[in-house]
Amino acid sequence: DAKTTQPPSMDCAEGRAANLPCNHSTISGNEYVYWYRQIHSQGPQYIIHGLKNNETNEMASLIITEDRKSSTLILPHATLRDTAVYYCIVRVSQGGSEKLVFGKGTKLTVNP
Amino acid sequence: SQTIHQWPATLVQPVGSPLSLECTVEGTSNPNLYWYRQAAGRGLQLLFYSVGIGQISSEVPQNLSASRPQDRQFILSSKKLLLSDSGFYLCAWSPPGTRAGNTIYFGEGSWLTVV
Repeated sequence: DAKTTQPPSMDCAEGRAANLPCNHSTISGNEYVYWYRQIHSQGPQYIIHGLKNNETNEMASLIITEDRKSSTLILPHATLRDTAVYYCIVRVSQGGSEKLVFGKGTKLTVNP
Repeated sequence: SQTIHQWPATLVQPVGSPLSLECTVEGTSNPNLYWYRQAAGRGLQLLFYSVGIGQISSEVPQNLSASRPQDRQFILSSKKLLLSDSGFYLCAWSPPGTRAGNTIYFGEGSWLTVV
């Protein structure tokens, strides 16, 4: 699986947009970019995923660069409950299943 | 809708004792199933995954084992726990098949402390 690089921590003011970057320079053509978040002592929560095009859902937007070597997760109006560790993962089907390889993620702190 | 249940939520076990964590998925058939572990302050590590009954793939050598006795049941076991087995264990599932776009969904986790 391709590796990802994320800043270890970020801060954001409540109500402002949180933009979380991720580098995946070795991504292959069939690898999806996934974002999960984990609030302390809970299981990771799926946020969004994409392959080539930008994606948006009720939680966030995912912007993938044209060369697919980096992406940005955008939380349009961050709230205190968005404080969590955010994981950017690239994933591919292989060996009969799909696997997620988690890095250390970005600790996002939303401040009042 | 699909749901995933994992238990127990918390347990404290002495070194050398056995372990059994159980996970069940409802609302889907033939899911892919996974066991992950998160040690304190570290990222998630894939331990086992299964694409069907009796089909288990191990990602890392260790004293843990997994079994899938039924389609939607996944069990993580150990015969003798080590201190290093302490951590947060997560069961997860994804829809059947091998499409890279299939989302993986996680349970709420089990905290294991080996003393």
